[in-house]
Amino acid sequence: AQTVTQSQPEMSVQEAETVTLSCTYDTSESDYYLFWYKQPPSRQMILVIRQEAYKQQNATENRFSVNFQKAAKSFSLKISDSQLGDAAMYFCVRGGGADGLTFGKGTHLIIQP
Amino acid sequence: NAGVTQTPKFRVLKTGQSMTLLCAQDMNHEYMYWYRQDPGMGLRLIHYSVGEGTTAKGEVPDGYNVSRLKKQNFLLGLESAAPSQTSVYFCASSYSSGNYGYTFGSGTRLTVV
Repeated sequence: AQTVTQSQPEMSVQEAETVTLSCTYDTSESDYYLFWYKQPPSRQMILVIRQEAYKQQNATENRFSVNFQKAAKSFSLKISDSQLGDAAMYFCVRGGGADGLTFGKGTHLIIQP
Repeated sequence: NAGVTQTPKFRVLKTGQSMTLLCAQDMNHEYMYWYRQDPGMGLRLIHYSVGEGTTAKGEVPDGYNVSRLKKQNFLLGLESAAPSQTSVYFCASSYSSGNYGYTFGSGTRLTVV
């Protein structure tokens, strides 16, 4: 089975500081996609950022950026200037096949005011 | 608003009862998916569909059946509910094979007693 591993069950960061969430994945495919999804207490799944494996340039969305290391199969998420609204579960996700997305177990991010 | 609608949002079943969860999308998406989310497990794929009239098994299909008679609807059925099926169920849809991420419903919390 192709897996996604998030080694940090919980992370805590002070408001306005920077935090990095780690993710490694396993895949036998050459063409795939990686995502970070956010799930706040409302339970809604929200797409944070998306990376295409064939692109070497790291994706950036405002305060969110990734460090994509294809050879190492690593895909970390950096959140700059953390805000209280960033508190949520964050899931690293691999996609690209018709059979859906493969989720990591998630990292619970706590923002300390 | 366009999106994915799940019905119902909450349900309590007795062991052995049956029920159907409805997922409806109005974005003309070809692909639809059912996931379950358990504490500490992330989301796991139950069944999916790549178009009207098609269904396929995911990672954890046992105890569930699905149907996609109309493109916009994807039904998840539990014929004889078991306590192990207590979970939060998410439906998702995508235009293609997930490379642009998915649109998720808001989830159904199911408790089997």
